[in-house]
Formats: sequence, structure tokens, C-alpha cells
Amino acid sequence: ELKVEQNPLFLSMQEGKNYTIYCNYSTTSDRLYWYRQDPGKSLESLFVLLSNGAVKQEGRLMASLDTKARLSTLHITAAVHDLSATYFCAVERYYGGSQGNLIFGKGTKLSVKP
Amino acid sequence: EAGVAQSPRYKIIEKRQSVAFWCNPISGHATLYWYQQILGQGPKLLIQFQNNGVVDDSQLPKDRFSAERLKGVDSTLKIQPAKLEDSAVYLCASSLGGLLGAGELFFGEGSRLTVL
Repeated sequence: ELKVEQNPLFLSMQEGKNYTIYCNYSTTSDRLYWYRQDPGKSLESLFVLLSNGAVKQEGRLMASLDTKARLSTLHITAAVHDLSATYFCAVERYYGGSQGNLIFGKGTKLSVKP
Repeated sequence: EAGVAQSPRYKIIEKRQSVAFWCNPISGHATLYWYQQILGQGPKLLIQFQNNGVVDDSQLPKDRFSAERLKGVDSTLKIQPAKLEDSAVYLCASSLGGLLGAGELFFGEGSRLTVL
């Protein structure tokens, strides 16, 4: 059974600081996704990582994937208040010959304080 | 481009009553998903459709939950009878599919269910 673990689950940061969120998963998968969720809102796709060694960057966020270690990281550089949200990683499993079947982690609730 | 549409946004019912949620995916998206998100947790897949066929319903509590996607576009998710533990946000998502785009899901705003 594919399990996805994120840590930390809660993260309180000061503006301007750097930090990393980790996502570990239990079985082989080559595809990993990061989503953002604001309170009371739906999930917004941030990054799609489709191969070992993939690195994607958007603004102050950078995501990477190491399929051999079954690990993805989401690095936050010089955090700002607007980044406060819950971040989910999701790993794709192949089921019934079809793709797109995602298993989500529990999420990391990020709070950026002045 | 219009996003994934869901209704109703909020629903309050008593236990043992029934409820139905509706979803209209992004135009052209063949794959449609229903996820359940309990407060403080990550979304859990209930059912995945490819066009109007079911790909995965292994985590759908079939004694009380049912879902259909009759014409390969809109979908409905029904709960009958509801239990207290069904209180959650029900998220509908769709994806383009294909080799590269399969897992990039686009989510609707969700339908928040409260069972009293």
C-alpha cells in the first residue's frame, strides 16, 4: 500500500527565512505533485515532477524529486506572508492500467509571521 | 477557461438522510475524480472515472456511497444514508489525461457536508 508522509505537519516561519518541507513515500513512483490549499479554498496545483532529479521553481518555491530515495522536497526561500497556506504532496500510483490516481500526504500547514 | 464546477457548496443534513453532489469537469477532461477531505487531513480518493467508466472505486464505501458519470461529462456523488463521519468536504477534480498530464488534477471549490 502506497503511503505518503510529510513533515513537518506544522511550520511557523518568520518572514525572510528559508525552510524545507519533506515528502516521503513508501513504494516506487516516478510522479509527484505539490498542491497549495488556502483556508476554505480548493487545491491549486503548484508543481508537477515527472522524473528522477526533476527540479521546478516558481517564485520563492522550489520543488525537487529523488525517486531512488522516494523523497521530494519543497524549499521556501525568503518566506513572505502570502505563502501562508497548507501544502500537500501527492504521489501517483498506477491502478487499473490508468494514470492520475493520487495519494495525498496529510499536508504541512505553513504560517509566515512578520 | 472555466474551471471545475461543483454544487451545492454547503449542505447540512441529519444522519440517515441522503444527499447528492454534482460536478461538471473542465471541458475536454476525460478523467474525473471524487475526493473526500476530512478536516485537517489530505484528500482521499473515493472514485476515479475515465470517460463514463469506473477506473478505481476501491475506497468508496459502497454500502452508502454511489457515483455515476452517465454521459462521460457531469458526475453525481450520492450518500444514502449519511453518517456523522461523512462530514467532510467533497472535492471533484478532473485531468486531461495522457502520458504527461494525467496526474495534474484541477480541483473544484468543493461541497462541504455537515451531518448532524
